[in-house]
Amino acid sequence: SQKIEQNSEALNIQEGKTATLTCNYTNYSPAYLQWYRQDPGRGPVFLLLIRENEKEKRKERLKVTFDTTLKQSLFHITASQPADSATYLCALDVDNYGQNFVFGPGTRLSVLP
Amino acid sequence: DVKVTQSSRYLVKRTGEKVFLECVQDMDHENMFWYRQDPGLGLRLIYFSYDVKMKEKGDIPEGYSVSREKKERFSLILESASTNQTSMYLCASSSPALAPYEQYFGPGTRLTVT
Repeated sequence: SQKIEQNSEALNIQEGKTATLTCNYTNYSPAYLQWYRQDPGRGPVFLLLIRENEKEKRKERLKVTFDTTLKQSLFHITASQPADSATYLCALDVDNYGQNFVFGPGTRLSVLP
Repeated sequence: DVKVTQSSRYLVKRTGEKVFLECVQDMDHENMFWYRQDPGLGLRLIYFSYDVKMKEKGDIPEGYSVSREKKERFSLILESASTNQTSMYLCASSSPALAPYEQYFGPGTRLTVT
């Protein structure tokens, strides 16, 4: 059956360290993979998209990797800050056109001062 | 700035009532989506629409219907609300023409069915 897993439900790290979140999937072949941030009581906000032929994408302190052989994406936040505390969701496109995405359950990140 | 608005932030309804959740976007997006979000289950797609008067079932359409009479508006209807439909409902829109195909989400409606 198809499945998306994100490493742990919650992750605590110290301020200044690099946070690494994992998204693993089974029985999908996405052409695109997205990462979103969600704050409590609000809708998700888009952060990054990576294509299947891209190994890595960066945006400021964020870095995403995409390994279609391992069926895994890693999401890194370097020099993490308490303001980075949120839930992070990965999303895979299911139609290979970028029109319809299925979301993972999310990882709640807490950056401790 | 893209804006997706939802008619209510909080809603309390009784079992058996008909419930309407409205979503409006102001960016002329073709695609619109309705999700529900529950702890431990993540975001699950209920229905989506690629154009006016078009609708497609998502992963969990049972007990729901939708209406899209105008491009900017996508309504979710609970024909007869039940307690297992208590959830956070999120609407989103996107454009098929623009990578990175990001979905813009509304603030959500927290629905409680008693």
